[in-house]
Amino acid sequence: GESVGLHLPTLSVQEGDNSIINCAYSNSASDYFIWYKQESGKGPQFIIDIRSNMDKRQGQRVTVLLNKTVKHLSLQIAATQPGDSAVYFCAENENNNDMRFGAGTRLTVKP
Amino acid sequence: DAGVIQSPRHEVTEMGQEVTLRCKPISGHNSLFWYRQTMMRGLELLIYFNNNVPIDDSGMPEDRFSAKMPNASFSTLKIQPSEPRDSAVYFCASSYGQGFDTEAFFGQGTRLTVV
Repeated sequence: GESVGLHLPTLSVQEGDNSIINCAYSNSASDYFIWYKQESGKGPQFIIDIRSNMDKRQGQRVTVLLNKTVKHLSLQIAATQPGDSAVYFCAENENNNDMRFGAGTRLTVKP
Repeated sequence: DAGVIQSPRHEVTEMGQEVTLRCKPISGHNSLFWYRQTMMRGLELLIYFNNNVPIDDSGMPEDRFSAKMPNASFSTLKIQPSEPRDSAVYFCASSYGQGFDTEAFFGQGTRLTVV
């Protein structure tokens, strides 16, 4: 029979536009967060991380924002490129124990 | 460095057979993680080694699953006997440090299909 799986949220953007991918986390005690990118047929790839004592961190073309009040994490990608098309996962960690991944968001970049 | 190397990339086996997945972490990394990814459950941690010692195996689904790390450059994940519900992509990752608060590098994964 047909299997029912996770329905990934999707985001479609035009090449050159900025992308914002959101993640709601569950554990108010989580103190470390990571964004991963997973391209088809590959393993997750680290993009950027942030610790709970910060609310913003910037990398190359990417920015992570953390709002602990509402337990929300976002990844902003500037000038999105076709190579950014992938599934993006947020992951949370508390006190260096375990790593819990979100369901992921599929980003599609239209040329 | 070639990164984390997993083998095989694909494995198709019959229900009841033993399956062994292999992982070579990045040289110098002292933490190794096995994850399973399915459409139903997403990415789940199975087991975590630090300095070749299993630290947390609470994610291992049941006794049919076992993992070993005989040395710093090799780990195996074994399923015996395999069942169709074990079908998934299994990832190995490694990092330098202890725990989860340093960057982990993932392998390409092993896609396991149990028929």
